[in-house]
Amino acid sequence: AQSVTQPDIHITVSEGASLELRCNYSYGATPYLFWYVQSPGQGLQLLLKYFSGDTLVQGIKGFEAEFKRSQSSFNLRKPSVHWSDAAEYFCAVVRPNSGNTPLVFGKGTRLSVIA
Amino acid sequence: EAQVTQNPRYLITVTGKKLTVTCSQNMNHEYMSWYRQDPGLGLRQIYYSMNVEVTDKGDVPEGYKVSRKEKRNFPLILESPSPNQTSLYFCASSPPGPSYNEQFFGPGTRLTVL
Repeated sequence: AQSVTQPDIHITVSEGASLELRCNYSYGATPYLFWYVQSPGQGLQLLLKYFSGDTLVQGIKGFEAEFKRSQSSFNLRKPSVHWSDAAEYFCAVVRPNSGNTPLVFGKGTRLSVIA
Repeated sequence: EAQVTQNPRYLITVTGKKLTVTCSQNMNHEYMSWYRQDPGLGLRQIYYSMNVEVTDKGDVPEGYKVSRKEKRNFPLILESPSPNQTSLYFCASSPPGPSYNEQFFGPGTRLTVL
């Protein structure tokens, strides 16, 4: 079965500092990979996705993520964090062309931003 | 504006009183899904629907029902709610084709069962 691990439950960074949120997946082949963000009181918004091709993908709000097959990882990065980035971040995977297989989400990483 | 809407956004009810949470999308998506979000557990899928009149169980379907009579609507029904169904619920929809797994989420419904 697929699984997603986000090792960090909570991260605090200073505004302007760089950010990296970790995501590791367990699956026999390369899945489709997603990062979602959930702002307080809001639904989930897709930040970026990886299906195939270039392993460095750009998303919205200045985020990027790098797929590393050898490490089964899809870490999310941002060079300079803004206070508005404080939110919960979810990594998700799904088997490609899987029909009715649902997205499998990690348990999330809560990001706090301090001045 | 393309969106997924849910109603109500907040609901407090009592054990055993039937309730329905509505979900509607205006993007002509075929795939729709319900998730519940609980602290420390992330999001878990309750039910999904591949198209009209086609529904199937997700990971945690016990205590829930769904229906898909129209493409745009996918209501979640709790026939006899219990306190362990207190949670934050999200509806999501996906377009067809290669990107169908890219899901668009509604704003959530916070349900409390007393």
